[in-house]
Amino acid sequence: DVQMTQSPSSLSASVGDRVIITCRASLDIGNYLAWFQQKPGEAPRSLIYAASSLHSGVPSHFSGSGSGRDFTLTITSLQPEDFATYFCQQYNRFPFTFGPGTTVDIK
Amino acid sequence: QVQLQQSGPGLVEPSGTLSLTCTVSGGSLSGNSWWTWVRQSPGEGLEWIGEIFHTGHNNYNPSLRSRATISEDRSKNLVFLTVTSVTAADTAIYFCARRQYGMGGIDSWGQGILVTVSS
Repeated sequence: DVQMTQSPSSLSASVGDRVIITCRASLDIGNYLAWFQQKPGEAPRSLIYAASSLHSGVPSHFSGSGSGRDFTLTITSLQPEDFATYFCQQYNRFPFTFGPGTTVDIK
Repeated sequence: QVQLQQSGPGLVEPSGTLSLTCTVSGGSLSGNSWWTWVRQSPGEGLEWIGEIFHTGHNNYNPSLRSRATISEDRSKNLVFLTVTSVTAADTAIYFCARRQYGMGGIDSWGQGILVTVSS
């Protein structure tokens, strides 16, 4: 299986901060990489597909980049509603696998 | 906007069969989408279970050791998940989701349903 790692596992930030979360795949996955946001008690929300494309309705202060094995999710100017856990997922090779998550909480 | 709603028993006995239904509204199962099941154990991360395409083709996670089956009823816009021989390790929130064909990834999720395996 393709192993996905994320760093950091958690971080504390303030409203207005720039946050960068990294995701690394154990194999080259091209740009078959997605990012999801999940708040406690809720279903995941799809943010980004194909490493850098935003799903409809996702605010533009979210962005994704990377290809191959290394990817980043950047949140510029963190908003109060952005405090959540973020997961990456590769969908290049079966079985599709998720990263362990990065929790962004309030400093 | 497609909407997904999971339903089924919230409690299953050990060694029994978990059976869930995903009702799809606002879209057709016959489109260019994979209908997907993902689960999340309490306090844990996300695990991809498998998916089905409208042709009937499936992909599964080998971690479930062939215990999972995903099927569909296109006439009723329903997607089904069964997991046999369940143990406490199968206790999780189960989500159905839609993955777009090709590069699109998962773009829609159901709200999830908690299934507890216990006697």
